[in-house]
Amino acid sequence: AQTVTQSQPEMSVQEAETVTLSCTYDTSENNYYLFWYKQPPSRQMILVIRQEAYKQQNATENRFSVNFQKAAKSFSLKISDSQLGDTAMYFCAFRTSGTYKYIFGTGTRLKVLA
Amino acid sequence: GAVVSQHPSWVICKSGTSVKIECRSLDFQATTMFWYRQFPKQSLMLMATSNEGSKATYEQGVEKDKFLINHASLTLSTLTVTSAHPEDSSFYICSARDQGRQSDTQYFGPGTRLTVL
Repeated sequence: AQTVTQSQPEMSVQEAETVTLSCTYDTSENNYYLFWYKQPPSRQMILVIRQEAYKQQNATENRFSVNFQKAAKSFSLKISDSQLGDTAMYFCAFRTSGTYKYIFGTGTRLKVLA
Repeated sequence: GAVVSQHPSWVICKSGTSVKIECRSLDFQATTMFWYRQFPKQSLMLMATSNEGSKATYEQGVEKDKFLINHASLTLSTLTVTSAHPEDSSFYICSARDQGRQSDTQYFGPGTRLTVL
């Protein structure tokens, strides 16, 4: 079975600092996609960043970047220059290329402190 | 960017009644939509995959007769919670797959909070 694990239920970071959220997954598939979604208090799910497994280069979106380690099945999210608006629940998600169903991790609640 | 709406955003109903939740893709066509359920402080659990013009595919453990899904057009899927009970109280989120975009990304609606008294 495919699983996604986020081992950090809660984290906090000072404004302007850098924080890394961990995510590991388990699959026997070779082609798949990984995502980080942000869910602020409004509960609206917002795509932060995505990574195709066949790409070796780590994805980057402005202050957000990932460290994708395919052999280790690890997909961590780094947030640089943290802002108060980054306070939210962050979910790591996975799907194989053959299906469009997402499997979500349990989430990490991030609080950015002023 | 692509927008998905849900209606209503919150609903309170009496036990035993049925509640319909709508999910619309506003600026793209979605042959496939997904319905999730999220309990407080928990992750999203996929309930079913809604396919336009065909029957929905339910995840294991989800009662298809209780959670009726209808995907009648390329922009609308509905979830009806039949004979709702307090244990059905939850946050329901839909997502729509925009297959027209190269990235083939799913976009999420803002969610519907259901409270069954």
